[in-house]
Amino acid sequence: QQQVKQSPQSLIVQKGGISIINCAYENTAFDYFPWYQQFPGKGPALLIAIRPDVSEKKEGRFTISFNKSAKQFSLHIMDSQPGDSATYFCAASKGQGAQKLVFGQGTRLTINP
Amino acid sequence: KAGVTQTPRYLIKTRGQQVTLSCSPISGHRSVSWYQQTPGQGLQFLFEYFSETQRNKGNFPGRFSGRQFSNSRSEMNVSTLELGDSALYLCASSSSVGGYTFGSGTRLTVV
Repeated sequence: QQQVKQSPQSLIVQKGGISIINCAYENTAFDYFPWYQQFPGKGPALLIAIRPDVSEKKEGRFTISFNKSAKQFSLHIMDSQPGDSATYFCAASKGQGAQKLVFGQGTRLTINP
Repeated sequence: KAGVTQTPRYLIKTRGQQVTLSCSPISGHRSVSWYQQTPGQGLQFLFEYFSETQRNKGNFPGRFSGRQFSNSRSEMNVSTLELGDSALYLCASSSSVGGYTFGSGTRLTVV
């Protein structure tokens, strides 16, 4: 019940296209859903996060869509750029503060020029 | 504002040895969490410290331990190292209302 399932494992998108990564969770007590971006040799960096009281949150080219009834959330990267090539992790926790994050397995995104 | 600093960046140890990793959080952040990242298991929560007290603990054996000092700096110790302990160990700091900020990690290789 603590798992967060992420798909796909890897994704190749053409420059300018839309990248979509999906996550599903089981624990209905989760109320904070962040996405992290990780480049090789670096730690994960917070990209965008959402709470279950909203269905969508947009920050620049990055959008989180959240479906509470389906217990699913997804990351959309519009106008994908080669610089977006990285590994993306979804996560979930109870509370936004210093709470234990349960991470998805990650998606390696490659944007072809 | 300085980020989360982890030292050392790379470490090679022999099976059976012990190792201590260090983490300096962002100034003002009182919570420090540790995660293990491996290709097979992904990112797994080890433990979280707040004001020198362990608040949360993941499902790792007792060989993994940590502590936090009064200045919020944290150390993580692994005793009797096993080959399977080879991983990237990430430290993250957080304020009471903000999300995590991760450091760049310590790459531990056990041979």
